[in-house]
Amino acid sequence: NAGVTQTPKFQVLKTGQSMTLQCAQDMNHNSMYWYRQDPGMGLRLIYYSASEGTTDKGEVPNGYNVSRLNKREFSLRLESAAPSQTSVYFCAISNGGRADTEAFFGQGTRLTVV
Amino acid sequence: QKEVEQDPGPLSVPEGAIVSLNCTYSNSAFQYFMWYRQYSRKGPELLMYTYSSGNKEDGRFTAQVDKSSKYISLFIRDSQPSDSATYLCAMSGRGSTLGRLYFGRGTQLTVWP
Repeated sequence: NAGVTQTPKFQVLKTGQSMTLQCAQDMNHNSMYWYRQDPGMGLRLIYYSASEGTTDKGEVPNGYNVSRLNKREFSLRLESAAPSQTSVYFCAISNGGRADTEAFFGQGTRLTVV
Repeated sequence: QKEVEQDPGPLSVPEGAIVSLNCTYSNSAFQYFMWYRQYSRKGPELLMYTYSSGNKEDGRFTAQVDKSSKYISLFIRDSQPSDSATYLCAMSGRGSTLGRLYFGRGTQLTVWP
């Protein structure tokens, strides 16, 4: 039982390159989230998906796109990476639609854009 | 103004000390208050969860919520080096906040032996 699995764990990109971060869950939760975490900034929400087939912007969506492929998978795409997107990216899941809901996080993807 | 404010620290205390971590918030729709603990190079994990106002105790940890002041706290008694981590407060609630978590910046805590 892996919970939330993120791939890759580490990535180095050159400016302008594209890549997709993958997230898969085996807990059958409705909501999935992508956060970025930078020193001193805490967790900032990029995009979230309250249910399969829906996605919404969070605090910092610029430069990113997402795709909720099915209930299990939620991907984050950087079309043209910039150094400002160097960060640690976390995927999270919860039983969305309820406020009293615990979020479970993946182990993170450390992305460096040079 | 961010919806959730948390002093990032860092906070450094000796083993056995009582630690107090705090967050303030501005959105009165928040009803559910959580503390997550994040070890270095790991994802956050839920530590404590409280609904509305009041206290909740779990071993050495006590969470307090004062909705009238929009202020929440986490107390750690008899702190241990294994408590060294970043502690993030998080909140959610009714209406447009439903189902989403709003996080503070996190406070980095070091407990030295």
